[in-house]
Amino acid sequence: GESVGLHLPTLSVQEGDNSIINCAYSNSASDYFIWYKQESGKGPQFIIDIRSNMDKRQGQRVTVLLNKTVKHLSLQIAATQPGDSAVYFCAENRASGTYKYIFGTGTRLKVLA
Amino acid sequence: GAVVSQHPSRVICKSGTSVKIECRSLDFQATTMFWYRQFPKQSLMLMATSNEGSKATYEQGVEKDKFLINHASLTLSTLTVTSAHPEDSSFYICSARGDGDGYTFGSGTRLTVV
Repeated sequence: GESVGLHLPTLSVQEGDNSIINCAYSNSASDYFIWYKQESGKGPQFIIDIRSNMDKRQGQRVTVLLNKTVKHLSLQIAATQPGDSAVYFCAENRASGTYKYIFGTGTRLKVLA
Repeated sequence: GAVVSQHPSRVICKSGTSVKIECRSLDFQATTMFWYRQFPKQSLMLMATSNEGSKATYEQGVEKDKFLINHASLTLSTLTVTSAHPEDSSFYICSARGDGDGYTFGSGTRLTVV
């Protein structure tokens, strides 16, 4: 069936380096995507979103890239900090108007001091 | 920003009893709320969509008689796990949508059934 998946389950990055977390999706009809950060024992926290009519969106230290041709989404974190250590999920809205989001499997980001 | 309060954060109950989890939107009216469950080291799985004043819509495979959802007002949705069993032990998370496209998550409830 259709799914949103991540290529890397765990990513270790040196503090200060840039991090890139990838996500593949399979539903070409999805029109809205969100990246969430989840710390242990807590609910997901919104990071950044992007609509399908865009290919790039920047926030504070984060950038999301969307490649609709290959159905690929990535989250770039600049100057990764210890506080960035968490599990990151991408989510897609498959049915426009229903606001039902399907979450990917998650990538754990470990920031090394 | 939008804040969603979820209570309790942790609960331990005996097998066969029922547990109620509350999800409140504190500074906005939530037109729609969602309930997820998350097993350790796994992703969030949508259980049901809760709309104020109407019946919840359950995802395939989720027993509506076991997971009772009530959305009595625009700021409160409750999830009741009835006749809980150890396999129901999980992390339950709610989220609420206001007027925008995204939505805000609660802090989650860790349910342990013994």
